[in-house]
Amino acid sequence: DGGITQSPKYLFRKEGQNVTLSCEQNLNHDAMYWYRQDPGQGLRLIYYSQIVNDFQKGDIAEGYSVSREKKESFPLTVTSAQKNPTAFYLCASSIEASPLHFGNGTRLTVT
Amino acid sequence: GDSVTQMEGPVTLSEEAFLTINCTYTATGYPSLFWYVQYPGEGLQLLLKATKADDKGSNKGFEATYRKETTSFHLEKGSVQVSDSAVYFCALIPNQAGTALIFGKGTTLSVSS
Repeated sequence: DGGITQSPKYLFRKEGQNVTLSCEQNLNHDAMYWYRQDPGQGLRLIYYSQIVNDFQKGDIAEGYSVSREKKESFPLTVTSAQKNPTAFYLCASSIEASPLHFGNGTRLTVT
Repeated sequence: GDSVTQMEGPVTLSEEAFLTINCTYTATGYPSLFWYVQYPGEGLQLLLKATKADDKGSNKGFEATYRKETTSFHLEKGSVQVSDSAVYFCALIPNQAGTALIFGKGTTLSVSS
């Protein structure tokens, strides 16, 4: 079955460490997105990519980095510069202006 | 810029009650509108969509009508079930190529038996 796989489901890190969240899709979608979800704040866009080797900053890109070397993969690195990294991170993909397909998320806890 | 505003929750209902979750938007042109649902610990699933004015999206007993005159896309269901307990997000895609989905803050629905 086609879909989006985010791994791991839960991730724990110490403050000051960089951490990379995985997102893989086999839907052959061109566009991929990373959102951050915090209680009471809905979903906020971190980065998105419309095509391989190209990506744009979203509303809250500071402290994050991404790469898009392959169509299927869009990993997100949470750097030590991100002041409040503990959150639920959602990856999504789409083709043109169609609805987004979401992965099941990664819950990152930084202590 | 473009934005989506949802009614704040939580919304607490008894089983078989009528549900309305209000959603209004601000956008230039003619955006496409969506409702997504998120069950605990999961990602978001598309519930329904509407791509032009007066379109009605429907799925699993839920309905929403794209009202351009009131810039609204309210979600309704005639008889909710306990299994409908979840967080509901209203969202839009602006009518410009290369833009990402814009979400409201979400409304938590809790249905008791």
